[in-house]
Amino acid sequence: SQTIHQWPATLVQPVGSPLSLECTVEGTSNPNLYWYRQAAGRGLQLLFYSVGIGQISSEVPQNLSASRPQDRQFILSSKKLLLSDSGFYLCACDDRDTGELFFGEGSRLTVL
Amino acid sequence: GDSVTQMEGPVTLSEEAFLTINCTYTATGYPSLFWYVQYPGEGLQLLLKATKADDKGSNKGFEATYRKETTSFHLEKGSVQVSDSAVYFCALGTGGGNKLTFGTGTQLKVEL
Repeated sequence: SQTIHQWPATLVQPVGSPLSLECTVEGTSNPNLYWYRQAAGRGLQLLFYSVGIGQISSEVPQNLSASRPQDRQFILSSKKLLLSDSGFYLCACDDRDTGELFFGEGSRLTVL
Repeated sequence: GDSVTQMEGPVTLSEEAFLTINCTYTATGYPSLFWYVQYPGEGLQLLLKATKADDKGSNKGFEATYRKETTSFHLEKGSVQVSDSAVYFCALGTGGGNKLTFGTGTQLKVEL
């Protein structure tokens, strides 16, 4: 089955600094990939999804961007972080047959 | 659009108590329904799922039945354990890239 690796696991960054969170997937090819954010006390919000290399769809307007330079690599970035970007970021891929999502362990971002 | 509504937590129970976490949904078409579990500091894991009306998903003693007439997918367990303490997310998927819509999550605390 699919395995998802995310790093870094924890990150503390000052306001205005750049961000790069990386996600790689093993055990599947040509997956649909997703970035979710889980803010404190709130549910999961879908930020971006990708159906293939270089193909990114944004679900909500925000200070973040995503890129997919390789089939099994998904990167979440920001040029200048805001306080409101703090949260727990989860990368996921799906099983196209069953619809199940497989999640990484998450990256906790604190913007100070 | 699609939406999922879960009961607010936290839900605090004694060990061996009966658990119900309510989940209702609004969707166009015929969604698949999922329960995911998030243990402290970790990503989400699929707990169970149901793909059509009247299906019952079950895993680790948890059950949920897809009720189309009441648009519900309530999670139940007959006897909870301390190790069940986690956040539980109800979700629906209507295909088209397998994007899932999540509820806000319900925190469960089980005490001795």
